[in-house]
Amino acid sequence: SQQGEEDPQALSIQEGENATMNCSYKTSINNLQWYRQNSGRGLVHLILIRSNEREKHSGRLRVTLDTSKKSSSLLITASRAADTASYFCATDDRGSTLGRLYFGRGTQLTVWP
Amino acid sequence: DGGITQSPKYLFRKEGQNVTLSCEQNLNHDAMYWYRQDPGQGLRLIYYSQIVNDFQKGDIAEGYSVSREKKESFPLTVTSAQKNPTAFYLCASSIRPLGQTYEQYFGPGTRLTVT
Repeated sequence: SQQGEEDPQALSIQEGENATMNCSYKTSINNLQWYRQNSGRGLVHLILIRSNEREKHSGRLRVTLDTSKKSSSLLITASRAADTASYFCATDDRGSTLGRLYFGRGTQLTVWP
Repeated sequence: DGGITQSPKYLFRKEGQNVTLSCEQNLNHDAMYWYRQDPGQGLRLIYYSQIVNDFQKGDIAEGYSVSREKKESFPLTVTSAQKNPTAFYLCASSIRPLGQTYEQYFGPGTRLTVT
């Protein structure tokens, strides 16, 4: 299936450090999205990058997309304890008309004060 | 305030009973989705609906049923046929995907425990 795979599964860093997590997927896409989930809560949309874009910024977030490698990365700069959460990538499937997203298993980020 | 509400937050049921999870949105979105999340896992799509009176099975529809009689509402029934119903259930909505997908807005989730 198209399900994305995040890497690493877990990441533990100190406040102030940068956090990088990666996502790989299998088929051609229209766009790729990143979401954040605090423990026991719903997901919150962070950023959407289209297949014709290579990089996108939003505040302390930087997302890159390499469609030739079918991969994306999410960089959180100057991390804070409040960034502790699970981060998921989600892709669609350009070859499908179903209009659904495929979510990976997520990266659990822990930021220590 | 615009958003998605799910109720209740916690739900407990005995094995063999059907249970219905509520999902309501006031974002005027055409598309709505139900996902299941198990501990340490990603989201798996149960059912989705792109428009009123229409819905499609996702990856794990067996043992679940839905209806979409109103744009604002997309209730999910977990039937007794679902073998492992204990999980965290998330509802989401979006602009109707036509040729491309859009960001999804999620509710706070319902944690269902069946004993």
